[in-house]
Amino acid sequence: AQSVTQLGSHVSVSEGALVLLRCNYSSSVPPYLFWYVQYPNQGLQLLLKYTSAATLVKGINGFEAEFKKSETSFHLTKPSAHMSDAAEYFCAVSEMDSSYKLIFGSGTRLLVRP
Amino acid sequence: GAVVSQHPSRVICKSGTSVKIECRSLDFQATTMFWYRQFPKQSLMLMATSNEGSKATYEQGVEKDKFLINHASLTLSTLTVTSAHPEDSSFYICSASPSGLNYGYTFGSGTRLTVV
Repeated sequence: AQSVTQLGSHVSVSEGALVLLRCNYSSSVPPYLFWYVQYPNQGLQLLLKYTSAATLVKGINGFEAEFKKSETSFHLTKPSAHMSDAAEYFCAVSEMDSSYKLIFGSGTRLLVRP
Repeated sequence: GAVVSQHPSRVICKSGTSVKIECRSLDFQATTMFWYRQFPKQSLMLMATSNEGSKATYEQGVEKDKFLINHASLTLSTLTVTSAHPEDSSFYICSASPSGLNYGYTFGSGTRLTVV
């Protein structure tokens, strides 16, 4: 079964600083990977996805992620943090069987300091 | 496009009663929908896969008689929590995709269930 590991349950950055949220996956074949953001008491919003096309994926709100097969990583970055980026971020990997289930990481809470 | 509506957003019910949560795909058809449960400050746990016109597939450890799923049409899946107890209090979220994995899944806004 697929799995994802998100290093760091909390990440704190200053406004304007680089955001780096880490995600590593376990898969014997290149999977489909996703990053979602969740604001309090809300559902999840898709930030970006990797589906075996370009390894550098650009998403909404200035976020991007790079798929690195050699490192089995799909880290999320944003050059300059904004206060509105404070939220919970989830990395997810798809099951590559017919179920296409998404398996989520444990999440990383991003705190943005003024 | 690809909007998923979930209702209600919040519900409080008495212990022993049943609660129904609806998940609708507003602008696409979804043969498959997924139901998740999320405890405070935790990740999403997949409960079941809802398949239009057939029985849902439940994840290991999820009681299918407690969490009844019905997917009677291509745009609607319902989750009924039967004989609810305080430990069923949680945030329930559904998701669906208009065209499979390449698109990515769209999530509903979630339902906060509190059982008193």
